[in-house]
Amino acid sequence: DQQVKQNSPSLSVQEGRISILNCDYTNSMFDYFLWYKKYPAEGPTFLISISSIKDKNEDGRFTVFLNKSAKHLSLHIVPSQPGDSAVYFCAARGNTGTASKLTFGTGTRLQVTL
Amino acid sequence: KAGVTQTPRYLIKTRGQQVTLSCSPISGHRSVSWYQQTPGQGLQFLFEYFSETQRNKGNFPGRFSGRQFSNSRSEMNVSTLELGDSALYLCASSLVAMAGGELFFGEGSRLTVL
Repeated sequence: DQQVKQNSPSLSVQEGRISILNCDYTNSMFDYFLWYKKYPAEGPTFLISISSIKDKNEDGRFTVFLNKSAKHLSLHIVPSQPGDSAVYFCAARGNTGTASKLTFGTGTRLQVTL
Repeated sequence: KAGVTQTPRYLIKTRGQQVTLSCSPISGHRSVSWYQQTPGQGLQFLFEYFSETQRNKGNFPGRFSGRQFSNSRSEMNVSTLELGDSALYLCASSLVAMAGGELFFGEGSRLTVL
C-alpha cells in the first residue's frame, strides 16, 4: 500500500520555466512533509519541508504547497535551472514523535533542458 | 564537518550469503536510520536507532537486523540473501529522534545479489 504517491515518474522542463512536482498521500495521520533531491551516486539531500499547520512554505526558488483537504502537495521550482536536474522524492512523517520514520514516494526524475 | 559515511559503497554477494553494512553518522548525531531504495519502490524505512536502542522498525522480514554502538555508529545485517535484496541501502542520521529533525543521508551501499 503506497501511502505517498508520485504519479509522474519523470518531468522535462525548459530552463527558466517553472517546474511543478506533485505528490499525493493517503494517510491522514501525516502531519509533516518534506522534499528531498537526489543526484546519481549521492544520497538524498533535504530540500524543503512544510508542517500541516501551513499551506505554503517558500525558500528561494523553491515553494511547497500543501492542500490538506485534497491530501496533495506540490513543489514549485522557479526559475528552473539545469542543476535542478535530479530525482525528487516527496516524504511524509506521522505525528508519532519519531523523526526518522519517513514514508517516501517513488520519486520524480526532473530534467531541465537548455 | 564530515557527512554520513557508509561502507562499503558497492558489494556483490550470492544468494544465501549474509552481509553487514556500516554507517558512521555525522558527529554529534545520535539517531541513525536505514532505508532501502529499489527501482519503482522509492525509499522504504527499515529501522531507526537512537542511543543504541531500536526505536522503530519497518515492514521487513527478520532477516534484516541492525544495531547501534555507543559511539552512534550503526550496522545493518541481512542474512540468507535473496535476489530481491539487491538495492541501494541508505543510512541517515539526525541530531534528535523526534519529529522535526532533518535527516542527513549517506551516499549508500549498493548491494547486488547474484
